[in-house]
Amino acid sequence: AQSVTQLGSHVSVSEGALVLLRCNYSSSVPPYLFWYVQYPNQGLQLLLKYTTGATLVKGINGFEAEFKKSETSFHLTKPSAHMSDAAEYFCAVSGAGGSYIPTFGRGTSLIVHP
Amino acid sequence: EAGVAQSPRYKIIEKRQSVAFWCNPISGHATLYWYQQILGQGPKLLIQFQNNGVVDDSQLPKDRFSAERLKGVDSTLKIQPAKLEDSAVYLCASSPDGTDTQYFGPGTRLTVL
Repeated sequence: AQSVTQLGSHVSVSEGALVLLRCNYSSSVPPYLFWYVQYPNQGLQLLLKYTTGATLVKGINGFEAEFKKSETSFHLTKPSAHMSDAAEYFCAVSGAGGSYIPTFGRGTSLIVHP
Repeated sequence: EAGVAQSPRYKIIEKRQSVAFWCNPISGHATLYWYQQILGQGPKLLIQFQNNGVVDDSQLPKDRFSAERLKGVDSTLKIQPAKLEDSAVYLCASSPDGTDTQYFGPGTRLTVL
């Protein structure tokens, strides 16, 4: 079985501030981990993914995430928030039972204040 | 490269009516997925196709939902009859072979009154 917990349904930051979105996962096997972004009235877009290898993963738009096995975490960060980063962010895990179907978290809404 | 196309973008129907959604995946992608995203939740897989065969439909409410992928290209998801709890965004995604990144379409927002 696999599951994802995203801590905080809403995160509010000021423009230029650090963005930190938290994700913890549960998986019985080494996981594949993903972060997706969803802008209003649009589909999901992949920001980054971890499969194997380097635990610090860099994605698009200046985002990165670090896989920490000991903490079962895959938190998403960005050094400096832009107004255009305001969106819904989903963490997802796959790999359990040989399945590549991701299990998504409930999402975190990022609000960026000017 | 063209992305995943879906239509319609919005649909409003009354309960007990029928509705159908269409998806055209990225050219050459063998795997196609339909997800249901209820407001405030992450997407939930309804069905996965590999070419024109069903791989996983364990979470598809088969008494009212059906899906097909004729000729292994585009796909149709149907709800008949619709219930109030079917109000959601229906997302289609595709991937080259089911073991790689999924690419999502813009979704169809269904409102059942």
